[in-house]
Amino acid sequence: EAGVVQSPRYKIIEKKQPVAFWCNPISGHNTLYWYRQNLGQGPELLIRYENEEAVDDSQLPKDRFSAERLKGVDSTLKIQPAELGDSAVYLCASSLLGLAANEQFFGPGTRLTVL
Amino acid sequence: DAKTTQPPSMDCAEGRAANLPCNHSTISGNEYVYWYRQIHSQGPQYIIHGLKNNETNEMASLIITEDRKSSTLILPHATLRDTAVYYCIGLFGNEKLTFGTGTRLTIIP
Repeated sequence: EAGVVQSPRYKIIEKKQPVAFWCNPISGHNTLYWYRQNLGQGPELLIRYENEEAVDDSQLPKDRFSAERLKGVDSTLKIQPAELGDSAVYLCASSLLGLAANEQFFGPGTRLTVL
Repeated sequence: DAKTTQPPSMDCAEGRAANLPCNHSTISGNEYVYWYRQIHSQGPQYIIHGLKNNETNEMASLIITEDRKSSTLILPHATLRDTAVYYCIGLFGNEKLTFGTGTRLTIIP
């Protein structure tokens, strides 16, 4: 069974440039999450989707971050423009709904470096 | 979510049982205890969860004290591949996972 796929694995950009991350969740998982993980810290939730609907985006910095999950499968997280403080690992996870939602399957992440 | 407290780091000899403690003295009756781990350069991996009873699966055992104020994750025969950061998380139902800084477990050959 294929796991959560993320691309790219690494991205280096200059500040003020745009960047996008892509995630393909496990087949059949209707809940998708984007997390950000700063060095030495645990992951922090940015946004959660149930199918196409963003049900929790309270931690997403909406002035520069946006996300979409068209057709309730793949998802894209975008930053425009990027700032130095956005350097982090961006993780995507997926799960089933309900109580099983906390048994989340994570992708390998995208390591973003903003210069 | 219940606040959890874990030691920042632990060592364990390869082949021995690794016992990772977690304190959650403020946990309420409906909050589950979840454990995840994160191996270097990988995303977190779900290990196990429980409410009141002890739980066991192919990866680990979870022992929850009767008063539910603390728990221990047990890796029965630690291998070098178990070196990772282990997160203990307390939460209701399908609330969002809130990761702390976890315990960095190092398995010593």
